[in-house]
Amino acid sequence: GQQLNQSPQSMFIQEGEDVSMNCTSSSIFNTWLWYKQDPGEGPVLLIALYKAGELTSNGRLTAQFGITRKDSFLNISASIPSDVGIYFCAGEGGTSYGKLTFGQGTILTVHP
Amino acid sequence: SAVISQKPSRDICQRGTSLTIQCQVDSQVTMMFWYRQQPGQSLTLIATANQGSEATYESGFVIDKFPISRPNLTFSTLTVSNMSPEDSSIYLCSVAQGPEAFFGQGTRLTVV
Repeated sequence: GQQLNQSPQSMFIQEGEDVSMNCTSSSIFNTWLWYKQDPGEGPVLLIALYKAGELTSNGRLTAQFGITRKDSFLNISASIPSDVGIYFCAGEGGTSYGKLTFGQGTILTVHP
Repeated sequence: SAVISQKPSRDICQRGTSLTIQCQVDSQVTMMFWYRQQPGQSLTLIATANQGSEATYESGFVIDKFPISRPNLTFSTLTVSNMSPEDSSIYLCSVAQGPEAFFGQGTRLTVV
């Protein structure tokens, strides 16, 4: 089956620093989605990417859909304490909207 | 985005018993999805809940263990049957609106 490799597994940064995380796959995906999950909550959609090469921003977040359709990255600029959480990439492989393959997650800790 | 409500939000259950989790969406959707998130892990798709037909299960998940109902376009249930401690996880309901997928807050299940 399809698998996503997400890195890094965890990050410890100072407030104000920029953050970058990425996902790679051996399979092509039609849609890449980035989520944030806080403790005790379900994942919240941050950014959705629909076509190869697409670069999309949402406030301090920027994500790109790789040209090969097998990778994506998420950048967070000027991190703040509320950015703490687990970030997941997810890919939709064309069989059905909503059937997602998730990366392993990146645990982000921001020190004030 | 769709508003998705799950009940219960958490439960502690005895091994050998069953728990039914409810998922209510504030709009009609064609497909609903059930995911499992084991402790400290990523999300794995259990099945797709289709209205008017049997659910479609992913590899490693079977109907006898995770029976699903989908009586209408806004509601679904997932039952975790004959529970064991290995079933302790967060169970999440999801819906797709186009290529974007949204999640409920999850049901945190602990089996003792």
